Amino acid sequence: DGGITQSPKYLFRKEGQNVTLSCEQNLNHDAMYWYRQDPGQGLRLIYYSQIVNDFQKGDIAEGYSVSREKKESFPLTVTSAQKNPTAFYLCASRGLAGGRNEQFFGPGTRLTVL
Amino acid sequence: GDSVTQMEGPVTLSEEAFLTINCTYTATGYPSLFWYVQYPGEGLQLLLKATKADDKGSNKGFEATYRKETTSFHLEKGSVQVSDSAVYFCALNRDDKIIFGKGTRLHILP
Repeated sequence: DGGITQSPKYLFRKEGQNVTLSCEQNLNHDAMYWYRQDPGQGLRLIYYSQIVNDFQKGDIAEGYSVSREKKESFPLTVTSAQKNPTAFYLCASRGLAGGRNEQFFGPGTRLTVL
Repeated sequence: GDSVTQMEGPVTLSEEAFLTINCTYTATGYPSLFWYVQYPGEGLQLLLKATKADDKGSNKGFEATYRKETTSFHLEKGSVQVSDSAVYFCALNRDDKIIFGKGTRLHILP
């Protein structure tokens, strides 16, 4: 079955440590996205990538970094510079062919920084 | 800039009641409009979409009509079930991104 996987589902880290969240898709989608979700604030865009080896900052990129070395993978690193990293992180992808513009989401990773 | 405004929740209804969740948008041009649903602890799922004025999106008994004159895309369902309890997000696309509303939490009582 095609889809988007995020791992792990729950992640705990100590303050000051960098942590990398995984996102993999087998939908052959060109574009991938990372969002952060906090209670009552909806989704906020962190980074997105339209093509391999290229990505753009979203609305809240500070304290985060990404890479896009393969079409299927778009890992997100939450660095120690992110002041309030505890949140639910969602990865999404979108196929650019055929005029379709909806995004498909993974199950999310809940990060808790202790 | 473009934005989406949806009614604040939580919305609490009894099973079999009629549901409306209001959504209005501000955008230039003619964006596509979406409703996504998020069940507890999960990612978002596309519920329905509409790509041009007067289009009606529908899925699983839910409907929404793209109203250009009122810049609205209200979500409706004639008879809700306990399993419809979730958070619902209205959204629009702008170039290569999607702009989401803040979400409306729906509780359905048996």
